[in-house]
Amino acid sequence: DIQMTQSPSTLSASVGDRVTITCRASQTLSSSLAWYQQKPGKAPKVLIYDASNLKSGAPSRFSGRRSGTEFTLTISSLQPDDFATYYCQDYDDHFHTFGQGTILEIK
Amino acid sequence: EVQLVESGGGLVKPGESLTVSCAASGFRFDRYSMNWVRQAPGRGLEWISTISSTSAYKYYADSLKGRITISRDNYKDSLFLHLNSLTAEDTAVYFCTKTGSDRQVSNYFDYWGQGTLITVSS
Repeated sequence: DIQMTQSPSTLSASVGDRVTITCRASQTLSSSLAWYQQKPGKAPKVLIYDASNLKSGAPSRFSGRRSGTEFTLTISSLQPDDFATYYCQDYDDHFHTFGQGTILEIK
Repeated sequence: EVQLVESGGGLVKPGESLTVSCAASGFRFDRYSMNWVRQAPGRGLEWISTISSTSAYKYYADSLKGRITISRDNYKDSLFLHLNSLTAEDTAVYFCTKTGSDRQVSNYFDYWGQGTLITVSS
């Protein structure tokens, strides 16, 4: 099974900062990776799919990139609404794997 | 507007069984594979099962294989998850999700329900 290692587990940042979250796959994947944002008590929402495609309706400050087995989610300028938990998800085969999650908190 | 509404969660005793349901609307249900994802309190997301649009293919997480069954009724636009031999470790919110493409069984999840909580406790 593919393992996804997501880092950091917690990230403290300020409004206006540029931040990056990383997921590393245990083996080479296609670009079948998504990023989700989850707020407390709510269902996750997809931000990025196929590694770098911005989901319609998601703010353009979110971007995704793939480099080999490393996938990154970047928020170019943090807004107050962005403080949440983020997860990556591999869907390269039929057995999906989520990363462990990154809590993005206000510094 | 796409809507996914789960139901059937609640408090059950260890060893019991339960079926949770998901009512879908706002899209052609019979064209998309569907999925279940769970989240234990304070923990991360765990994919547990996927069913193809015609029910021809079903996939289960190894950690739950043998104890769960996914099914769907395309006439009633409904998705189901049956869980057997429940333990405290199955306590979680169970989310129904829609696959983002009608051309692939496995893809990202573009819509999520609000979730239904299953609590396993004596």
